[in-house]
Amino acid sequence: SAVISQKPSRDICQRGTSLTIQCQVDSQVTMMFWYRQQPGQSLTLIATANQGSEATYESGFVIDKFPISRPNLTFSTLTVSNMSPEDSSIYLCSVDRDRTSRSFGSGTRLTVV
Amino acid sequence: GQQLNQSPQSMFIQEGEDVSMNCTSSSIFNTWLWYKQDPGEGPVLLIALYKAGELTSNGRLTAQFGTTRKDSFLNISASIPSDVGIYFCAGHYNNNDMRFGAGTRLTVKP
Repeated sequence: SAVISQKPSRDICQRGTSLTIQCQVDSQVTMMFWYRQQPGQSLTLIATANQGSEATYESGFVIDKFPISRPNLTFSTLTVSNMSPEDSSIYLCSVDRDRTSRSFGSGTRLTVV
Repeated sequence: GQQLNQSPQSMFIQEGEDVSMNCTSSSIFNTWLWYKQDPGEGPVLLIALYKAGELTSNGRLTAQFGTTRKDSFLNISASIPSDVGIYFCAGHYNNNDMRFGAGTRLTVKP
């Protein structure tokens, strides 16, 4: 399965600032997915990013708060904008492993103070 | 939407004991998946189940796709300390949508 690299692995940020998380895949993929995992919680899909088009956001997530870029078939970024402590979570990049399962990066652990 | 109910929420067991966890839903899934997440890492796929009634093993792990397609269980036999982590079930639909359970946090005491 694809190797997914995420940067940074963790960060501590001041409220009101923004953080951009990078995701690099070692093979070309059509769709890339961004998930949020709040402390002690399960995985929630934020958005699906296709190359050459705007990302599709899930209910409860908006582009102004979580802008996404997908400049090519191996790379994507997720920005967490105007952060508040409630944004403290693990953010995970994911790609389809096959038609019915997904692989995940190691995640970015974000703490907002 | 289709929700997955995963239980138990957490387990504290002795090394060598067997473990069982399950997921249920009111909706039908086409594929059931079981992931494990170690601290500081992303989830890693353990077992994928594709057909109702399917029973699949991966070493000490055994999982089954329920005959109604609305449930699945994961068993771990003879637990060892490195089994510690969070186990997630996930269900997959035809439209490429996936749902995750809330996770089972496993602690293994040596």
